[in-house]
Amino acid sequence: GDSVTQMEGPVTLSEEAFLTINCTYTATGYPSLFWYVQYPGEGLQLLLKATKADDKGSNKGFEATYRKETTSFHLEKGSVQVSDSAVYFCASMGQNDYKLSFGAGTTVTVRA
Amino acid sequence: NAGVMQNPRHLVRRRGQEARLRCSPVKGHSHVYWYRQLPEEGLKFMVYLQKENIIDESGMPKERFSAEFPKEGPSILRIQQVVRGDSAAYFCASSPLEHRGQNEKLFFGSGTQLSVL
Repeated sequence: GDSVTQMEGPVTLSEEAFLTINCTYTATGYPSLFWYVQYPGEGLQLLLKATKADDKGSNKGFEATYRKETTSFHLEKGSVQVSDSAVYFCASMGQNDYKLSFGAGTTVTVRA
Repeated sequence: NAGVMQNPRHLVRRRGQEARLRCSPVKGHSHVYWYRQLPEEGLKFMVYLQKENIIDESGMPKERFSAEFPKEGPSILRIQQVVRGDSAAYFCASSPLEHRGQNEKLFFGSGTQLSVL
């Protein structure tokens, strides 16, 4: 079945540092790929998505590019803020499916 | 608008007791999905319900687990005779329609952390 593997945490950074969280997937066909974020005390929120190869999803300064050749969807942000402290989940979903497959989540802490 | 509300946030049970987890979807949403996150693992799909119907329970353990989404009231995930291996975070999500292939209108709750002593 489909699965997602993401970089283990926790990750601790200083403000304005560069963040990257690796994510790779295995799937039959061409899934849609997502990054979700969970801020403390809140539900998971969709951060960005990409639905086909070479698509780039972006939101709030975060970016991720759907790389079919490496089956990857790495999350990046050039300059993190304290408010980016959260748990980040990579996820995939089949084109005609409603079930999401999630990675284990990466806890990111940004220090001032 | 209130988002997906799950309660309790934390639930502690002793082995053999029953656990009842509640999920109130976004107002107007009639589709509910439950996911479970075991320690060190990603969220795994458990069950998909529409009002009064179970659509897909392929991810739910065959014994001790049940789910409902009645015409009135929240969706309930019920675990009978809990064991230590049931300790996990249980997340609920809702959508207004079946969200095949896209999920902009899929909203998650903040989860219930179940601890079995």
